[in-house]
Amino acid sequence: DAGVTQSPTHLIKTRGQQVTLRCSPKSGHDTVSWYQQALGQGPQFIFQYYEEEERQRGNFPDRFSGHQFPNYSSELNVNALLLGDSALYLCASSPDTGGYTFGSGTRLTVV
Amino acid sequence: AQSVTQPDIHITVSEGASLELRCNYSYGATPYLFWYVQSPGQGLQLLLKYFSGDTLVQGIKGFEAEFKRSQSSFNLRKPSVHWSDAAEYFCAVGPPRGSTLGRLYFGRGTQLTVWP
Repeated sequence: DAGVTQSPTHLIKTRGQQVTLRCSPKSGHDTVSWYQQALGQGPQFIFQYYEEEERQRGNFPDRFSGHQFPNYSSELNVNALLLGDSALYLCASSPDTGGYTFGSGTRLTVV
Repeated sequence: AQSVTQPDIHITVSEGASLELRCNYSYGATPYLFWYVQSPGQGLQLLLKYFSGDTLVQGIKGFEAEFKRSQSSFNLRKPSVHWSDAAEYFCAVGPPRGSTLGRLYFGRGTQLTVWP
């Protein structure tokens, strides 16, 4: 049974560019959450999607946006990249009753 | 406000020694409590979780954690550490089971170094 799959695993972008990260949830999970983990820090909640709608949002600017598709997969988009956006981006999926499975993450480097 | 405190940023133990990683939380209701482990450049692996019932929870890799409501703590323990346990450990709290708002709050992590 595949767990949470994230792509790409690594990427490098230039300041000011836009980036899209992708996440396929674990089979049977309908809720997807995104977290940003800066170096040496714990993961910080970005937002959560359920039934294709943003259900909850953390303290991140509007440059961070997302989408959930009918098959429950999700995308995280970041516009106007800043150097400070360099981080490991983690996707977590869960059934609506709770419990969280994390992917291996996408390492984003902004130069 | 919800928060998680891991007071120890870095812990070093000898292989075979016992280990205790501390976690204190602040949450409005009895939360879901978790411990995750992260190896360098990797995602988060769940070690164990607690919601209700027996306050001593057994997890994978020989880890256990004890929930103490009066102290708002959920400390992680292992009787005998192996070199492969070297990693970063995160404590997290989430909403009660069944809540529709499922975000997790993480501590800043404890880096574990194991001496041979």
